[in-house]
Amino acid sequence: DAGVTQSPTHLIKTRGQHVTLRCSPISGHKSVSWYQQVLGQGPQFIFQYYEKEERGRGNFPDRFSARQFPNYSSELNVNALLLGDSALYLCASSLPTGTVDYEQYFGPGTRLTVT
Amino acid sequence: GENVEQHPSTLSVQEGDSAVIKCTYSDSASNYFPWYKQELGKRPQLIIDIRSNVGEKKDQRIAVTLNKTAKHFSLHITETQPEDSAVYFCAATTTGSSNTGKLIFGQGTTLQVKP
Repeated sequence: DAGVTQSPTHLIKTRGQHVTLRCSPISGHKSVSWYQQVLGQGPQFIFQYYEKEERGRGNFPDRFSARQFPNYSSELNVNALLLGDSALYLCASSLPTGTVDYEQYFGPGTRLTVT
Repeated sequence: GENVEQHPSTLSVQEGDSAVIKCTYSDSASNYFPWYKQELGKRPQLIIDIRSNVGEKKDQRIAVTLNKTAKHFSLHITETQPEDSAVYFCAATTTGSSNTGKLIFGQGTTLQVKP
């Protein structure tokens, strides 16, 4: 899991604002997934991107969006923040091998607090 | 929908004893089952995984077993040490080019190893 980086580490926002979270995958990895982890629960899948294309989307509202850049880094955007968006946002990096996509390695996360 | 149930939610053992955490998944198409260890304030760390074509896998003091018929998989930790204390998450996913590879996580088990 070494090598997945996320920024910022912590963020405090006010309801209604928007936020952009950033992730750089492990060198050579082409797939990035985003997860939301509310305190005391397991991570919940938000998005997966591979080669700049969205491959999957979890059960999150349209206020959540993401994109992947040519260097495979990724951004997660959340608009019109709600108190319930307060969570640890995790980025996971993986290296699709042939047609198999497995072994996801997590970054340290961004702790978002919405007040 | 897809679901992973994990038990127990908390587990306390004496140092040197064994610990077992059990998970049940609902999607029969699931074929990859990773386990993550998350220490307080840190990222989930992949500790072991198993694929559906294997019934058991071992790595030093940890092992994972899979029963595809019953849709159960378990984590076994032997000779537990205080540094094994953490939250453990099981997860399940379906890998392959037509799948997102999104991980469905269990609710987590807080393991406490008493010295």
